[in-house]
Amino acid sequence: EAQVTQNPRYLITVTGKKLTVTCSQNMNHEYMSWYRQDPGLGLRQIYYSMNVEVTDKGDVPEGYKVSRKEKRNFPLILESPSPNQTSLYFCASSLRQPSGSINEQFFGPGTRLTVL
Amino acid sequence: GIQVEQSPPDLILQEGANSTLRCNFSDSVNNLQWFHQNPWGQLINLFYIPSGTKQNGRLSATTVATERYSLLYISSSQTTDSGVYFCAPHSTDSWGKLQFGAGTQVVVTP
Repeated sequence: EAQVTQNPRYLITVTGKKLTVTCSQNMNHEYMSWYRQDPGLGLRQIYYSMNVEVTDKGDVPEGYKVSRKEKRNFPLILESPSPNQTSLYFCASSLRQPSGSINEQFFGPGTRLTVL
Repeated sequence: GIQVEQSPPDLILQEGANSTLRCNFSDSVNNLQWFHQNPWGQLINLFYIPSGTKQNGRLSATTVATERYSLLYISSSQTTDSGVYFCAPHSTDSWGKLQFGAGTQVVVTP
């Protein structure tokens, strides 16, 4: 089954304890992206990757790191989480068109993170 | 960046009613997606529609890119249609970015 998976689905942690949220897709998509969703602010893009070893900042990258060493995986790293990073996180993936623009995005199930 | 405005922000429907949700955007777009976020938080793809009209069961969508808007029609609404509906245009100026609207919260009552 074609899908985007995220782990963990739920995580409660404490301030300053490094964590990684994994994202994996099995559709051979070039493009992957991370979003966070907060009440009243909607979904905002954190980082995206147009292909392996190519990443770029979205609208809210502060406090996050990403890497794209393989096509299928795009982990989100919080080196020193803070309470303002408490949020619902979504990973997404998409094919890229020959023109470079992206196709339909498919989303993972979400990771609900609480930082105490 | 592209500005996205969805209306109405909230909608309460009685089961069986029809409704139209609107998405206005400020810039040229390559494509546009509509999503439904169910009460459990899951984002479900509804439509990928750069222009024209598509239908999927009781739902249909129309995008008029030249006039910078898209419409989502819900017919014969059911309680399972409750949730938040987002539109997300793909701007021609920003290859990697998808800009979401604030969403329309829909509640369908029995």
